[in-house]
Amino acid sequence: NAGVTQTPKFRILKIGQSMTLQCAQDMNHNYMYWYRQDPGMGLKLIYYSVGAGITDKGEVPNGYNVSRSTTEDFPLRLELAAPSQTSVYFCASSYEQRGETQYFGPGTRLLVL
Amino acid sequence: AQSVTQPDIHITVSEGASLELRCNYSYGATPYLFWYVQSPGQGLQLLLKYFSGDTLVQGIKGFEAEFKRSQSSFNLRKPSVHWSDAAEYFCAVGPNDYKLSFGAGTTVTVRA
Repeated sequence: NAGVTQTPKFRILKIGQSMTLQCAQDMNHNYMYWYRQDPGMGLKLIYYSVGAGITDKGEVPNGYNVSRSTTEDFPLRLELAAPSQTSVYFCASSYEQRGETQYFGPGTRLLVL
Repeated sequence: AQSVTQPDIHITVSEGASLELRCNYSYGATPYLFWYVQSPGQGLQLLLKYFSGDTLVQGIKGFEAEFKRSQSSFNLRKPSVHWSDAAEYFCAVGPNDYKLSFGAGTTVTVRA
């Protein structure tokens, strides 16, 4: 199993550009999550999904969109990139039972200039 | 609302010495508590978790944590650190598995 994979690993965007961060998992997890990690801060939940076709906002959803058309994939879309979106983005997944571990991808480092 | 405080931003410890990382949480009921470790350039890896039962929890890599309800704490310990333990450590709390709240993290430096 590859676990949780993320692409790209690193990207530089210009202000106003858009991009999609890809996330895939091969563990048949129903729950998937997107976090951002800023220096000196803990992870903040952007969006999450409890199954294909079901998504919901987390703590910091503004400026982002998600979709979940399959169990495996959970892409994160940035529209009109802003410098405040410079961060490291982590995707994670878990089983649906309570207390289950979240498995994290290696992260995508995004720089918006 | 749930929240997590990790009072120590950075800890330096000698190899072979003991390590304790502090975590205090705020949550109205019995929380789910987690410790994750992040090595440089890597994603987060679960060290251990608590949601019921024995308040002393054993994890991977020789780590353990103790849940103290009266102090709202879930401190992480290791009796003897190795150079490979240098990393950033995150405490997290949640009512369920999802919608976790993470602390700001503690960076551990191990000196020879």
